[in-house]
Amino acid sequence: AQSVTQPDIHITVSEGASLELRCNYSYGATPYLFWYVQSPGQGLQLLLKYFSGDTLVQGIKGFEAEFKRSQSSFNLRKPSVHWSDAAEYFCAVGLRDDKIIFGKGTRLHILP
Amino acid sequence: GAGVSQSPRYKVAKRGQDVALRCDPISGHVSLFWYQQALGQGPEFLTYFQNEAQLDKSGLPSDRFFAERPEGSVSTLKIQRTQQEDSAVYLCASSSYSGGGDTQYFGPGTRLTVL
Repeated sequence: AQSVTQPDIHITVSEGASLELRCNYSYGATPYLFWYVQSPGQGLQLLLKYFSGDTLVQGIKGFEAEFKRSQSSFNLRKPSVHWSDAAEYFCAVGLRDDKIIFGKGTRLHILP
Repeated sequence: GAGVSQSPRYKVAKRGQDVALRCDPISGHVSLFWYQQALGQGPEFLTYFQNEAQLDKSGLPSDRFFAERPEGSVSTLKIQRTQQEDSAVYLCASSSYSGGGDTQYFGPGTRLTVL
């Protein structure tokens, strides 16, 4: 069955430090992969997506993610976080029938 | 703005009441999705429309849940005889075409609390 695992429920980093949020997926076919961000009281905003081609994907707000087929991973990275990046981050896999399966999310805390 | 809108933003219901949640997708978007997000969890798929056709309702948790999109635009998610376990944020999303993997744009959600 299709699934998405985000092993870290909470991550705390200092402002200006680098960030990596982990994501592993299980899906039989070539996946569509997404990272969404959700701020309190806000809807989900798409950060970036992978469909095919270049395995390093650039997104908004300085985020990037790398698709590694051999590891079934799609980790999200940012070289230097800002206090405004504090939010919940969801990794997701898109299926051929248009459904999206989400992970449980990683809550990012930023230390000043 | 031109994004997905949902109403009401907050709904408190007594157990046993019926509720109706509305979603206005982005104009012209073919596909519309409903998700349920319990506290501390990721969104979970409920149902999916392509225009007015409900193509998948496999995620609806019980027959108390019903969704419609009669004119292929606005959609309503109805929950009959609400139970406490129905308390969650209900998210609506739309996408411009049906092709698998298309970007879904999410609304702010409706937070339902069942007392």
